[in-house]
Amino acid sequence: AQRVTQPEKLLSVFKGAPVELKCNYSYSGSPELFWYVQYSRQRLQLLLRHISRESIKGFTADLNKGETSFHLKKPFAQEEDSAMYYCALRPDLYSGAGSYQLTFGKGTKLSVIP
Amino acid sequence: DTGVSQDPRHKITKRGQNVTFRCDPISEHNRLYWYRQTLGQGPEFLTYFQNEAQLEKSRLLSDRFSAERPKGSFSTLEIQRTEQGDSAMYLCASSPGTSGTTDTQYFGPGTRLTVL
Repeated sequence: AQRVTQPEKLLSVFKGAPVELKCNYSYSGSPELFWYVQYSRQRLQLLLRHISRESIKGFTADLNKGETSFHLKKPFAQEEDSAMYYCALRPDLYSGAGSYQLTFGKGTKLSVIP
Repeated sequence: DTGVSQDPRHKITKRGQNVTFRCDPISEHNRLYWYRQTLGQGPEFLTYFQNEAQLEKSRLLSDRFSAERPKGSFSTLEIQRTEQGDSAMYLCASSPGTSGTTDTQYFGPGTRLTVL
C-alpha cells in the first residue's frame, strides 16, 4: 500500500523568505507525484506534477526516488501563497487495480507573514 | 461549464437517516471519483467510475455506502443509516480519461455532511 507523509501541519514564513514544504512517500513501484493547493474558500486544485517538470507560480518540486521525497520549493514567498498544500501520489499507471486513485498526505498549512 | 459541481453544499442530518449527494462532472469527462475528507486529514479515496462502470471501491466504502453513475454523466453517493462518524466533507472529482500520465483530476467544492 502507498503512503504520503507531510511532516509539518503548519509552516509560517516571512514574505520574501524561501519556502520548502516537505513530502515523503512510500510506494514500491514508480509513482506519479502531485502537489495540490487549496486557497481559502476555494476548491482543491492541481499546482504541479512531477512528470511536467515545470514551475507554477514560482513553485518547483523534484522527485527524489532515492530519498522517496517530493518537496515543494519556492525561493521567495508571497502573501498570496498562503494556503493549504497537499502532496498526492498516484500508483504506476501500469500496475493494475488502483492505478487512478490519488493517495493524499494530511496537508501543510502555509502562512506567509507580511 | 465552470467545473465540477456538487449538490448540496451542506447537509445536516440526524443519525440513522439516509442522505444522497449529487456530483456533476466536467462535460465529457469519462472518469469520476469520490473522496472523503475529515478534519485534519487529506482526502481519502472512496470509489471511481469509468463512464457508468464502477471500477474500484475502497475498503472505506462500507455496505451503507452506495454510488452510482447511471448514464455515465452525473453521479450520486448515498449513505444509509448515517452515523456520527460519517460526518466529513465529501469531494467529487472528474478527469478526462486520457491515456498515459496527462489525466488530471479536477475537484468539486465538496458537500459537507454533519450527522447529529
